[in-house]
Amino acid sequence: EAQVTQNPRYLITVTGKKLTVTCSQNMNHEYMSWYRQDPGLGLRQIYYSMNVEVTDKGDVPEGYKVSRKEKRNFPLILESPSPNQTSLYFCASSPAGGGTYEQYFGPGTRLTVT
Amino acid sequence: KQEVTQIPAALSVPEGENLVLNCSFTDSAIYNLQWFRQDPGKGLTSLLLIQSSQREQTSGRLNASLDKSSGRSTLYIAASQPGDSATYLCAVPYSGAGSYQLTFGKGTKLSVIP
Repeated sequence: EAQVTQNPRYLITVTGKKLTVTCSQNMNHEYMSWYRQDPGLGLRQIYYSMNVEVTDKGDVPEGYKVSRKEKRNFPLILESPSPNQTSLYFCASSPAGGGTYEQYFGPGTRLTVT
Repeated sequence: KQEVTQIPAALSVPEGENLVLNCSFTDSAIYNLQWFRQDPGKGLTSLLLIQSSQREQTSGRLNASLDKSSGRSTLYIAASQPGDSATYLCAVPYSGAGSYQLTFGKGTKLSVIP
């Protein structure tokens, strides 16, 4: 089944404890990205990757890192999480960037930082 | 920068009624427009993708239209059912200043009353 998977689905952690949220897609997509969703603010892009060579910032990259060492995986890293990073996170993929293709979303990771 | 607006923010209708959800965007130079459904605390499910060259796209009881020149799209739901209750989001690709992302509206929360 073609899908985007994220792990963990739920995570409660403490301020400053490094964490990684994994994202994997099995559709051989070039483009992958991360979004966060907050009440009243909607979905905002954190980082995106056009391919394994190119990764760049979205609208809200502060406090996050990403890595694209292979096409199928695009982990989101929080080196020192803070309470304002409590949010619902989504990974997405698309055959390519440039805006012409449908995007597919993972099931989401609900992160709580205390 | 692209801005996407969805009105109304919430809508409540009796079961069986036909309804229209609205989406407007400020920059008409889009490649496509995508409609998603999101159930509470869950991921995004893609409903319809309309390419910029298309005027309409249909899937079952759903029909989406696109008018690029006026910066508008509508999602028509026929014979609504309680299972249609969810938040509906529209999104357009935005590519500018070296970034590429989907810009989302904040959604319309639909409640279908049995």
